Amino acid sequence: GAVVSQHPSWVICKSGTSVKIECRSLDFQATTMFWYRQFPKQSLMLMATSNEGSKATYEQGVEKDKFLINHASLTLSTLTVTSAHPEDSSFYICSARDLRGEYGYTFGSGTRLTVV
Amino acid sequence: DAKTTQPTSMDCAEGRAANLPCNHSTISGNEYVYWYRQIHSQGPQYIIHGLKNNETNEMASLIITEDRKSSTLILPHATLRDTAVYYCIVRALNAGNMLTFGGGTRLMVKP
Repeated sequence: GAVVSQHPSWVICKSGTSVKIECRSLDFQATTMFWYRQFPKQSLMLMATSNEGSKATYEQGVEKDKFLINHASLTLSTLTVTSAHPEDSSFYICSARDLRGEYGYTFGSGTRLTVV
Repeated sequence: DAKTTQPTSMDCAEGRAANLPCNHSTISGNEYVYWYRQIHSQGPQYIIHGLKNNETNEMASLIITEDRKSSTLILPHATLRDTAVYYCIVRALNAGNMLTFGGGTRLMVKP
């Protein structure tokens, strides 16, 4: 089945620094990837849709200059949290759709970001 | 995507069947019912999906009512590792946009 690899699994960074999270589709090409954020005991909330070769589409309330998304190839999307603050601490999850199958959506294992 | 309603939480004894209900009374004719689960601190995992016929795979069974307004995910022999949040999502097969997650059902499998 389709596999999405997300790296790193967890990261701790200082306030004001930037953190990059990678999302790779390992055995399929994904023209579209999705980035979610999940706070403790809450459901996944979509942050943005990453489109290969074009600008990402951000959900309302998500700062595009703070959460930089790059989707430079059909197998890689990156999310960079710039000038991180403690309130950005969360669980970030990427997803990609494998058009070969009916169920389609495969998720990465998530990245636990802690900003201190 | 059609709205879904699930109980917030459920308990199940280890080894017994876990039956997780989902209401989707506004489902459209071309919309499928998908089930995902999320084990703590992991990404969601696909379980099963169906349109109108009952479906079974190695993980679970999906029972969809004849009017398609509700469904039940059945884990036939729940184990402790099945403790997770289970999400019922309704959407069209070829919809290219993202999956929208509701609150899901937190299933606790107890020894």
